[in-house]
Amino acid sequence: QQQVKQSPQSLIVQKGGISIINCAYENTAFDYFPWYQQFPGKGPALLIAIRPDVSEKKEGRFTISFNKSAKQFSLHIMDSQPGDSATYFCAASISGNQFYFGTGTSLTVIP
Amino acid sequence: GAVVSQHPSWVICKSGTSVKIECRSLDFQATTMFWYRQFPKQSLMLMATSNEGSKATYEQGVEKDKFLINHASLTLSTLTVTSAHPEDSSFYICSARDFRRQGPVEQYFGPGTRLTVT
Repeated sequence: QQQVKQSPQSLIVQKGGISIINCAYENTAFDYFPWYQQFPGKGPALLIAIRPDVSEKKEGRFTISFNKSAKQFSLHIMDSQPGDSATYFCAASISGNQFYFGTGTSLTVIP
Repeated sequence: GAVVSQHPSWVICKSGTSVKIECRSLDFQATTMFWYRQFPKQSLMLMATSNEGSKATYEQGVEKDKFLINHASLTLSTLTVTSAHPEDSSFYICSARDFRRQGPVEQYFGPGTRLTVT
């Protein structure tokens, strides 16, 4: 059973546009929600993370929106750039003991 | 900070041989290291969790006799794929975390090792 559901599977955005990736979870015990960026042939790198006591976190062009009641969280990439083209994974964890990953979203930003 | 390295970055081995992959935390002590496997265009699948000085805990369906994990120090864990077969070809990624630290509960990923078994 997929603990974290991620959509869309792939996304194409024009340069300068907003990329939005969504994730949903069921286990209310999750208390940490990170997003990772992965380039081909490389390991995932932490992009931004949020805890359920806040509804939004922004770091530069990247924003996480968190809806605790709906058990959903999303990643927004503002002013998307070709260099943002990568695969993005959401994840959920209980105090960092085990991380459950979404299925990934392949983002392509076209110039 | 929080740099994790893996060695080798890629390896090709013949079917039936064994191959060892190293995972090192370079600037912090990792009480726990995780080993993942990733197939092309798929998500990360947790294989096992290793705690320094104790036996690894394997996820359901992962053969512990085939994927030997050793975590002998706070900065080094190794994954040995024994009697490798072509179906073991994959991208293996480790991550590390210091559970003794207060604050962020994040794990830090290595760059991955591409294993090809011929």
